[in-house]
Amino acid sequence: QLQLQESGPGLVKPSETLSLTCIVSGGPISSSSSFWDWIRQPPGEGLEWIGSIYYTGTTQYNPSLKSRLTMSVDTSKNQFSLKLNSVTAADTAVYYCARHLSSWYWFDPWGQGTLVTVSS
Amino acid sequence: QSALTQPASVSGSPGQSITISCTGTGSDVGGYNYVSWYQQHPGKAPKLMIYDVSNRPSGVSNRFSGSKSGKTASLTISGLQAEDEADYYCSSYTSISTFVFGTGTRVTVL
Repeated sequence: QLQLQESGPGLVKPSETLSLTCIVSGGPISSSSSFWDWIRQPPGEGLEWIGSIYYTGTTQYNPSLKSRLTMSVDTSKNQFSLKLNSVTAADTAVYYCARHLSSWYWFDPWGQGTLVTVSS
Repeated sequence: QSALTQPASVSGSPGQSITISCTGTGSDVGGYNYVSWYQQHPGKAPKLMIYDVSNRPSGVSNRFSGSKSGKTASLTISGLQAEDEADYYCSSYTSISTFVFGTGTRVTVL
């Protein structure tokens, strides 16, 4: 059974870079049909799709975050990563990693989520 | 891309049916049959409840059903139970190959 687990610092200073990794277990990240996603949820607010990456490195980003966002994949470690630069308090959120399949436009499974707080 | 519009809250008594709406545009909900619904209990990750407008994943109760008309998708929960109390989010694929979520609906079982 495919499982995803987020990891990374829980506290980031304003103007710095937020970096998170999602470790995939129970299946290869290089599956030809899988796209890997990041989704976030500010405290008490709704979900926001951040972006997705294919194992080849092809990405699709939320236009509102595109200028600050970099996603990458490491097939040797079966994990993918998120970097968001120039963060502010508005980037404080629970960050989830998830998967969607090629031509199947829903997210399943999801990681448990990790809270990242932007504060000095 | 703007978030899809959902009512902030919906409530019902046990055994009743409730419906949550999700309104978008012709570039998302209205343009594709790629609407999905997620249930989220406090402190938990979202759980897929409906995909492709009206399909239920294995293991999801048949009390949950989905539909779409034009630019508005809907999730109906029939035979409301205490365990259904949670937040619900819709999501749609978009014309620029991205995804957009709804604003979220808090379901309260009275």
